[in-house]
Amino acid sequence: NAGVTQTPKFRILKIGQSMTLQCTQDMNHNYMYWYRQDPGMGLKLIYYSVGAGITDKGEVPNGYNVSRSTTEDFPLRLELAAPSQTSVYFCASSYEGQVTDTQYFGPGTRLTVL
Amino acid sequence: GQNIDQPTEMTATEGAIVQINCTYQTSGFNGLFWYQQHAGEAPTFLSYNVLDGLEEKGRFSSFLSRSKGYSYLLLKELQMKDSASYLCAALDSNYQLIWGAGTKLIIKP
Repeated sequence: NAGVTQTPKFRILKIGQSMTLQCTQDMNHNYMYWYRQDPGMGLKLIYYSVGAGITDKGEVPNGYNVSRSTTEDFPLRLELAAPSQTSVYFCASSYEGQVTDTQYFGPGTRLTVL
Repeated sequence: GQNIDQPTEMTATEGAIVQINCTYQTSGFNGLFWYQQHAGEAPTFLSYNVLDGLEEKGRFSSFLSRSKGYSYLLLKELQMKDSASYLCAALDSNYQLIWGAGTKLIIKP
């Protein structure tokens, strides 16, 4: 199993540009999450999904959108990028039905908005 | 509000023991996680506690006191590869993880 994969690994955006961060997991997990991690800060939940077709906002959803058309994929869309969105973005997944279960993280996407 | 507190940085010597503390205040509580994160990498799971007491897993142990809103991670026989950040995260009543900022552990020879 590849686990959780994310693309791209690095990206530089100009203010106002848009992009999609890709996340795929091959563990048949129903739960998927998007976090951002700013330097010296804890992880902040952006959006999460408990299954295909179901998404919900986390702690910091403004400026982002998600979709979950399949169990495997959970892309994160940034519209009108702003410098405040410069961060490291992690996608994670966890096993179906066990909300207290381990979250498995992807390698992260390092995004800079200039 | 919800809050997780842990020290920003700690230093220890190879072969020694170190204890990383974490205090939490959350709306409801459904357990506490510890994750390890090496620089530039993703977090990886270390432990999960939901009941009071000590859980031992090899060189790493994790302790929880629900009445005190307190947990610690104990690392024994420290190795250079243990240099990393250690993240404490509490699961609130909505089963959402509230993350601490992490404790950067520096191991010296």
